Amino acid sequence: TQLLEQSPQFLSIQEGENLTVYCNSSSVFSSLQWYRQEPGEGPVLLVTVVTGGEVKKLKRLTFQFGDARKDSSLHITAAQPGDTGLYLCAGEETSGSRLTFGEGTQLTVNP
Amino acid sequence: GAVVSQHPSWVICKSGTSVKIECRSLDFQATTMFWYRQFPKQSLMLMATSNEGSKATYEQGVEKDKFLINHASLTLSTLTVTSAHPEDSSFYICSTLPRGQGSYNEQFFGPGTRLTVL
Repeated sequence: TQLLEQSPQFLSIQEGENLTVYCNSSSVFSSLQWYRQEPGEGPVLLVTVVTGGEVKKLKRLTFQFGDARKDSSLHITAAQPGDTGLYLCAGEETSGSRLTFGEGTQLTVNP
Repeated sequence: GAVVSQHPSWVICKSGTSVKIECRSLDFQATTMFWYRQFPKQSLMLMATSNEGSKATYEQGVEKDKFLINHASLTLSTLTVTSAHPEDSSFYICSTLPRGQGSYNEQFFGPGTRLTVL
């Protein structure tokens, strides 16, 4: 099983601040997905990055896949209280369709 | 994205009883479904991979006789927690891998089932 380290685990910031969440591994992934999960609900897919060096933007969210496809980052600009939630990265293993999840980042944006 | 439902959304049962959780793909056929467990403040842990028409593949440390998985059709997989105990209390989430997916695999998750064993 490939491992994926996600940091930070907890993040509490003020509205308007920027933040970055990191996912790192020593293994190569076929693709990497970012999810957001609300309490009591299943994860919702935000984006999938596939190509090394790829950058995708989703409004105020910017996702990057490392050149070697071993790491990824999520950057949120001007965070809003509505961004509060658990952010999960998940790497698709090269050996099949299984996903390896990071530990998650619990983000709280205070008004 | 694909639509996945789970039933029930929450269940409370007595210790020693069995509980069945259903996972349905509503708008596509799913050759493969995955079952995860999530404890409070933690990430998702894969329990097993369910393939239509064949036996499920369980992750290391997951008892196949305790967590029975049946994937009898392309739209339905069930997870039965047998002889449930309080330590089985958790949030169980399924995900699906739509058939005919493109060059990479995107999983779509159900809303989860909260199991509480008294």
